[in-house]
Amino acid sequence: DQQVKQNSPSLSVQEGRISILNCDYTNSMFDYFLWYKKYPAEGPTFLISISSIKDKNEDGRFTVFLNKSAKHLSLHIVPSQPGDSAVYFCAATSNTGNQFYFGTGTSLTVIP
Amino acid sequence: DAGITQSPRHKVTETGTPVTLRCHQTENHRYMYWYRQDPGHGLRLIHYSYGVKDTDKGEVSDGYSVSRSKTEDFLLTLESATSSQTSVYFCAISEGTDYEKLFFGSGTQLSVL
Repeated sequence: DQQVKQNSPSLSVQEGRISILNCDYTNSMFDYFLWYKKYPAEGPTFLISISSIKDKNEDGRFTVFLNKSAKHLSLHIVPSQPGDSAVYFCAATSNTGNQFYFGTGTSLTVIP
Repeated sequence: DAGITQSPRHKVTETGTPVTLRCHQTENHRYMYWYRQDPGHGLRLIHYSYGVKDTDKGEVSDGYSVSRSKTEDFLLTLESATSSQTSVYFCAISEGTDYEKLFFGSGTQLSVL
């Protein structure tokens, strides 16, 4: 059973607007969450992360929000740029192990 | 770029043949992982290693075995390949102390006909 879920397989956004990508998890032992970005024919690359002791982390145009009670996190990209078009994976891990669990990914298309 | 090399980058093989994929790192990281990426399933962990000769199963380990005889090399073996193992395989490495530093290789596209 998938412990990390991304229920939107795809998302299209106009350039300059906000992109919001969502992720849900089921395991309450997870205490660290990450977002990865993946271009075709390349490996995923780390984008931004958040610890369970925080509810927000910001890095430039990227902000991740964590709602522990709802077991939900979201990635906001503002403003969206055509170069942001990629597949975004949400991942989770815990400090009791070193396994990283990934969601199914959301394909973001930013329309110029 | 993290020093991860996967080989081969592409492979086509026939059902029932053995296949070995190699992951080589130059970072001396303790943890190494094998993931497969499939449409609708995202990235799923096959096996991982937390040191030389120390390995453990992931979510989808059936039909796969791994070996790590040196810190820098992590091998994934399909003893008898099946069409359901057609996938893109990614190796990843981690120091284990900084969760942000999970680095991925460029992947191996494997087709089992």
